[in-house]
Amino acid sequence: DTGVSQDPRHKITKRGQNVTFRCDPISEHNRLYWYRQTLGQGPEFLTYFQNEAQLEKSRLLSDRFSAERPKGSFSTLEIQRTEQGDSAMYLCASSLLQGAPNEQFFGPGTRLTVL
Amino acid sequence: AQKVTQAQTEISVVEKEDVTLDCVYETRDTTYYLFWYKQPPSGELVFLIRRNSFDEQNEISGRYSWNFQKSTSSFNFTITASQVVDSAVYFCALIGVGAGSYQLTFGKGTKLSVIP
Repeated sequence: DTGVSQDPRHKITKRGQNVTFRCDPISEHNRLYWYRQTLGQGPEFLTYFQNEAQLEKSRLLSDRFSAERPKGSFSTLEIQRTEQGDSAMYLCASSLLQGAPNEQFFGPGTRLTVL
Repeated sequence: AQKVTQAQTEISVVEKEDVTLDCVYETRDTTYYLFWYKQPPSGELVFLIRRNSFDEQNEISGRYSWNFQKSTSSFNFTITASQVVDSAVYFCALIGVGAGSYQLTFGKGTKLSVIP
């Protein structure tokens, strides 16, 4: 296992369509995070999982967004009825929680373009 | 609320010059962690360093060094003898331990261009 992987790397969709992204974390990592990054900005937190439990969601995560992490392994992020404002890079990160917050390892991201 | 400010949007230096990237943070947590990440043109964020709020020792790793000053809430990053491969966007980030999520709060980044 060489790192966090994300699929697809690029997604172009039309407004109103649904899209789903996948993240495979580093295998022994128990925490998985989703962030969104727009042009010229730093990543912004969306949600995170500890094992299979989704423990926090940002107010950025509208009800059109849903995330899952079945069995505490890979995670999916679905956006329903996409809007042009959803165009961004969606980043997944994983870490191993051992008391203090360790560094989060990021995947290459999925770049979403909504036409 | 937590906030990270990177006032320098873009910096250009000539190869072999030293460059310092500034980072100022705000948090109400007494225990917190500071990070620097590098985002090269390929786009993948690369972890550089983690520092906790109780350790104000400066750190040096090769050409990289970090200056943490609690009194001014700053965590600056210096690259000595810059190289073209250092060209990237650099992000400073913060985790406040008061929030159990340990979510990273990022600054807007500083784009560093090293000119040969």
